[in-house]
Amino acid sequence: QKEVEQNSGPLSVPEGAIASLNCTYSDRVSQSFFWYRQYSGKSPELIMSIYSNGDKEDGRFTAQLNKASQYVSLLIRDSQPSDSATYLCAVNLPPGNTPLVFGKGTRLSVIA
Amino acid sequence: NAGVTQTPKFQVLKTGQSMTLQCAQDMNHNSMYWYRQDPGMGLRLIYYSASEGTTDKGEVPNGYNVSRLNKREFSLRLESAAPSQTSVYFCASSDGVGPYEQYFGPGTRLTVT
Repeated sequence: QKEVEQNSGPLSVPEGAIASLNCTYSDRVSQSFFWYRQYSGKSPELIMSIYSNGDKEDGRFTAQLNKASQYVSLLIRDSQPSDSATYLCAVNLPPGNTPLVFGKGTRLSVIA
Repeated sequence: NAGVTQTPKFQVLKTGQSMTLQCAQDMNHNSMYWYRQDPGMGLRLIYYSASEGTTDKGEVPNGYNVSRLNKREFSLRLESAAPSQTSVYFCASSDGVGPYEQYFGPGTRLTVT
């Protein structure tokens, strides 16, 4: 059973702080890793993707991947109330063109 | 580009009624997916189509059928709706070439009474 695990939260952080969201996955051969943001009542929106070990930055978002430890994380700097949402981690497994495996998501609440 | 579109946005059915959820994408993607999302359960894959002309079962296919009508369109049919099928349904697509990120439609909120 291929699994992607996330802490369901809620994770509460004050406005302006760094929010750190974590995800672990069970399959060592996973190839591509994605973070989606889902506002209440809306559909998931792709916000970050990462494919190799290390950090990838995009604006206030940084994705971190450590394949040896099988975890991927998302850091949100200078958190804003508008960042309050559920964040879904998703993993792609070989041979490639197979459906992503999604975690159940972490609910983030940014307190003004 | 509209991306992924779904119709209808909302639907209420009585137990035993049938209906078809429609999904279309204008991104020339090869692969399309149907998910349901229930509180506390996350996204669960119902069916997917890796390419035009193929369909495969996902995690929760019972009670559903799908049709990949052409490269753009992928429909989900409930033949005899049950209250357990009350959920939010999302369609998604990906290029099927790599790195396989998926893009989601706005969803259909279905209630079966």
